Formats: sequence, C-alpha cells, structure tokens
Amino acid sequence: QKEVEQDPGPLSVPEGAIVSLNCTYSNSAFQYFMWYRQYSRKGPELLMYTYSSGNKEDGRFTAQVDKSSKYISLFIRDSQPSDSATYLCAMSAGGSEKLVFGKGTKLTVNP
Amino acid sequence: DAGVIQSPRHEVTEMGQEVTLRCKPISGHDYLFWYRQTMMRGLELLIYFNNNVPIDDSGMPEDRFSAKMPNASFSTLKIQPSEPRDSAVYFCASRGGQALGPQHFGDGTRLSIL
Repeated sequence: QKEVEQDPGPLSVPEGAIVSLNCTYSNSAFQYFMWYRQYSRKGPELLMYTYSSGNKEDGRFTAQVDKSSKYISLFIRDSQPSDSATYLCAMSAGGSEKLVFGKGTKLTVNP
Repeated sequence: DAGVIQSPRHEVTEMGQEVTLRCKPISGHDYLFWYRQTMMRGLELLIYFNNNVPIDDSGMPEDRFSAKMPNASFSTLKIQPSEPRDSAVYFCASRGGQALGPQHFGDGTRLSIL
C-alpha cells in the first residue's frame, strides 16, 4: 500500500461549483498536512497547511484533516477557471523534513 | 524577490551522457531539496541539505546520481551515466530555517534522455 493515495482524476467542473479533493494515507506518524497547487510547466506552490486534525479556512479554500480515518480533504468554493491546475496533497511526520506527496488530481474549471 | 532558480529549463541528451542540473535557492534559506516528478511515481524527494550539508539522500535512486551544495547559493544534481528511465522533471526547492516553514519550488528542469 502506498503511503499516500490520491485520485488522479481528471476532474472537470463548471465555474462556480464546489470542488472536493481528497487523499488517504497509511502512516499514522504523519502530523503535518499540506495542499500544493501546480500549474502546467510550473513548480508546486503551497496553498494550505494544517497541523494534526481539524479544519482550516483561507478565503475560498478549506482544508480538513481526519486523523482517525487517515483522510484529508481540500474544498474549493465558487471555483474559478484560474483554479484549473493539479492539486497535490503532501504530508510529513513530526520533526521530519521529508514531505510525502500524493500523485496529484488534475482539475479543470470550465467557464 | 527572486524565487528558486533552476537551469536549464529543458535538457535533451543521449543515453550515457553526463547531465548536470543547477539550482539557486532563495537567499537566506537554510534548506535545499531535490525532487523528481514522473507520471508513474509522482513527486519524490531525492535528497535534502541543511546549511549546505547533505542530511538525507535515501531517495537517490542509484550511484549514478550525486548532489552537491558547495555554498549557500548553489547546488547541483548530476547523473552519470544517464539512462532513458531518468527522464523526468527535476525540481529544486528551498525553505527558511523557521519551524514548519513552507518549501518554495523552482519551475523545474524537464529532462529527456534518448
């Protein structure tokens, strides 16, 4: 079993839709959870960062972590064409610099 | 502010040749990371440095791969000899020394080995 599993999609939604992106993981030592956004032919950029369980909101983006289920989610409200990108989840254990990434979900928001 | 700068952006070379990828981290950042991204395996950490010292190279696939950081503003990833299966996008990232700081990625080097 891979440490981090992420549905690669692709996911195509109309503008204004609510988007839900998810990852599951197997390593119970993971404590830090991140979502990166990667535009075509660009490097990943950090979008959201959460520690342990709970929710975090930043504008149209909400990150959720459920450690009991080993499941994390990213919600995008009122999606825009500019949100079209690949979204990568990433996580690390406490005290570790090593990020383990999901393979990414490609999202297209159609105007 | 200049971000992480990688060169070249694209490299096409023949199998068996030596390949050198270069990275200039963000000024003042203490950590530098090298990643490889492929469709099959996603984004994988190869090696990372702290204050120019290699800390963990467990992700380096084989002895054909080597990385150096001679000073705080420059790092190289070398593949010798290169093989077609090394074809991938290689990213460099850096982060500052503050706890839990984000990693900032360059735009990568797209490497094709023929």
